[in-house]
Amino acid sequence: NAGVTQTPKFQVLKTGQSMTLQCAQDMNHEYMSWYRQDPGMGLRLIHYSVGAGITDQGEVPNGYNVSRSTTEDFPLRLLSAAPSQTSVYFCASSYWSAWSYEQYFGPGTRLTVT
Amino acid sequence: DQQVKQNSPSLSVQEGRISILNCDYTNSMFDYFLWYKKYPAEGPTFLISISSIKDKNEDGRFTVFLNKSAKHLSLHIVPSQPGDSAVYFCAANSTGNQFYFGTGTSLTVIP
Repeated sequence: NAGVTQTPKFQVLKTGQSMTLQCAQDMNHEYMSWYRQDPGMGLRLIHYSVGAGITDQGEVPNGYNVSRSTTEDFPLRLLSAAPSQTSVYFCASSYWSAWSYEQYFGPGTRLTVT
Repeated sequence: DQQVKQNSPSLSVQEGRISILNCDYTNSMFDYFLWYKKYPAEGPTFLISISSIKDKNEDGRFTVFLNKSAKHLSLHIVPSQPGDSAVYFCAANSTGNQFYFGTGTSLTVIP
């Protein structure tokens, strides 16, 4: 199993540009999520999905869109990048079980917006 | 407002001694708590968890303690090893949909 994969690893955008961060998992997990990590802020939830066709907002959803057309993929879209979106982005997935909330994280995408 | 807090940004411990990492939370509805470990340029990896119906969970060198009345949990690592040097995040969950993470504590284990 590849686990959770994210592409690209690094990206530089100019203000106003758009892009999609890709996330895929091969563990048949129902739950997938996107976080951003900023210095002194820990990981903050952007959007999450509990299954194909179902998405919801987390703590910091503004400026980001998501969709979940398949169980495996959960892309994160930046429609008009802003310098405040410079961050490290992590995708995660987990089974949806009352007994286990362990999330598996991807390696991250480091995004710089100039 | 930060619902999960790790007030110590860093901690240094001698190899072989105990490392104690602390975490406080404000939301009494949280019922599941987790610790993650993160190395530079990698994603966090799950370490250990505890349900609110327990006050202790142990896995090898790692033990998590939960004090619900104080809204406090701690991670004990005994004995500490140089490979334990990493950033540790605590996280909490209530409804099952949203996870809240602390800001992390950077642990350095000195050989």
